[in-house]
Amino acid sequence: QQQVRQSPQSLTVWEGETAILNCSYEDSTFDYFPWYWQFPRESPALLIAIRPVSNKKEDGRFTIFFNKREKKLSLHITDSQPGDSATYFCAAFNYNVLYFGSGTKLTVEP
Amino acid sequence: EAAVTQSPRNKVTVTGGNVTLSCRQTNSHNYMYWYRQDTGHGLRLIHYSYGAGNLQIGDVPDGYKATRTTQEDFFLLLELASPSQTSLYFCASSDATNTEVFFGKGTRLTVV
Repeated sequence: QQQVRQSPQSLTVWEGETAILNCSYEDSTFDYFPWYWQFPRESPALLIAIRPVSNKKEDGRFTIFFNKREKKLSLHITDSQPGDSATYFCAAFNYNVLYFGSGTKLTVEP
Repeated sequence: EAAVTQSPRNKVTVTGGNVTLSCRQTNSHNYMYWYRQDTGHGLRLIHYSYGAGNLQIGDVPDGYKATRTTQEDFFLLLELASPSQTSLYFCASSDATNTEVFFGKGTRLTVV
């Protein structure tokens, strides 16, 4: 049972464009939503996170938009760079357990 | 920087074989986790623990056992390995606030 869903599975954008990665969840008791990114042959690492009390979290070119009513969130990457090419995982915390979505593989073409 | 060390980094075993994956964290974190990563599935939780002697079942526990012998050490055991358990396994840890989960470098297991 997939508690966290992501789309699209893969996404290609040109350098300088905005990439939008989508995520939805089922359980309304989730209380923390981190995004992790993973480069080839590396471990996942925390990129940015949000709590349901907020509807937006910004960190440089990365912004999370959160819609609690619809149980949806999205990660926007503005001015995308080739170095942003990675797999991005939406995740959700519930009772000290971190659940991951299936990931979006982002490719930024120069 | 939190340190989570996994061993071995690569392992090949035969079907029916016995495998133990090891994980040690040196940051006094309470929580430790075992995930497997497969294409199309992301990271799926196998087992986790919130302290020495404690074990909790995750989403995909079948075919796996785990033991938390100390605060630092968490082991994943495959007693009768099957080809479906060929995967990349990550150990992770976090403190009680759970604001960040730190991952080891992973163990690639192949069951032939």
